[in-house]
Amino acid sequence: AQKVTQTQTSISVVEKTTVTMDCVYETRDSSYFLFWYKQTASGEIVFLIRQDSYKKENATVGHYSLNFQKPKSSIGLIITATQIEDSAVYFCALITGNTGKLIFGLGTTLQVQP
Amino acid sequence: DPKIIQKPKYLVAVTGSEKILICEQYLGHNAMYWYRQSAKKPLEFMFSYSYQKLMDNQTASSRFQPQSSKKNHLDLQITALKPDDSATYFCASSQDGGRDTGQLYFGEGSKLTVL
Repeated sequence: AQKVTQTQTSISVVEKTTVTMDCVYETRDSSYFLFWYKQTASGEIVFLIRQDSYKKENATVGHYSLNFQKPKSSIGLIITATQIEDSAVYFCALITGNTGKLIFGLGTTLQVQP
Repeated sequence: DPKIIQKPKYLVAVTGSEKILICEQYLGHNAMYWYRQSAKKPLEFMFSYSYQKLMDNQTASSRFQPQSSKKNHLDLQITALKPDDSATYFCASSQDGGRDTGQLYFGEGSKLTVL
């Protein structure tokens, strides 16, 4: 069965620093896709970044980047130069099948303080 | 302007009643989804539709019935409501369904409370 685990319930950082959020996943598929989404305080869920399992290079979008360690089934999210508005809940998600089903982790709450 | 419209944003229902959650997307996408978010649970996949055809159904109960009258519509009918159905229901869409779904775009959610 597929599973996504985010062990960090919450993280607090000072703005302009770098934060890493952990995510490990389980799948028997050899080809899969990994995503990070952000849910703001208003409840809005927004796509951030994606990693394809067959790509060795870590994905980077703006101040978001990934630390993809395939042998460890790990996909960490790195946010550099954090801003107050980065405060949100961050979800890791996995897709393997061909029905568009995303499997989400429980999420990590990030609080960025001045 | 929101590209995925969900109505209503909030609703309160009594146990045993029936409600319909409306979802329309204006992104020109071919695949649509319903997810549920309950307290202390991960976002939970419910249904996926591609070109108005059901791709996957992960709900254990037939009380949840998606309805797609148009390509950009995917409503969710919930019958015989129970307090455990209380959750925020998110509609989402993507360009295409399948394995390489790409990013999902989510609506703002419909928060259902069943008393």
